Amino acid sequence: GAGVSQSPSNKVTEKGKDVELRCDPISGHTALYWYRQSLGQGLEFLIYFQGNSAPDKSGLPSDRFSAERTGGSVSTLTIQRTQQEDSAVYLCASQQRPTDTQYFGPGTRLTVL
Amino acid sequence: AQKITQTQPGMFVQEKEAVTLDCTYDTSDPSYGLFWYKQPSSGEMIFLIYQGSYDQQNATEGRYSLNFQKARKSANLVISASQLGDSAMYFCAMRRLDTGANSKLTFGKGITLSVRP
Repeated sequence: GAGVSQSPSNKVTEKGKDVELRCDPISGHTALYWYRQSLGQGLEFLIYFQGNSAPDKSGLPSDRFSAERTGGSVSTLTIQRTQQEDSAVYLCASQQRPTDTQYFGPGTRLTVL
Repeated sequence: AQKITQTQPGMFVQEKEAVTLDCTYDTSDPSYGLFWYKQPSSGEMIFLIYQGSYDQQNATEGRYSLNFQKARKSANLVISASQLGDSAMYFCAMRRLDTGANSKLTFGKGITLSVRP
């Protein structure tokens, strides 16, 4: 079956601009995660969605970051007023149940000039 | 809090030989899962193998096996019969196993493996 997909695969933007990153999880997976992978910080958890519950936003680094998940499926991560330190690979993962394995998408490489 | 430690420098292995990638962890959770992911240069994180803290036997998946030593808090990945396509970054990760809780993964810093022909 289809895996997790993310778009765009690459995004180059200017400092101060807003960006939107999209994640399509595996069909039927109720849980969705966003992670960030950067050279200095490694892989960091950002936000977690489970079904219709309120998301766990504890990993978001600042209030410039937000995410939503519409209809329990597609998720969008939005970064407002991007900064150079936001440059990283943003990875999305989904899992069917909380005890299951997380499967990752190919990531979006964000470069802020 | 959970912590994963991967301290090996870049690893090299000859094609067709076995290699062990080290991982130690720390957690106060009574029930947890340990994972290994492979990240080739394309960037995608590929799930390899899973070990539950309550599992009595070490996990195996094809050429991958996990040497789980709970008392030592280690979860080393063993790759047998290395192939050129195994060249990649390898991440050890863990998470709690409470149902309904945020089971976010905590990752180590990764180990680069290069397979020589």
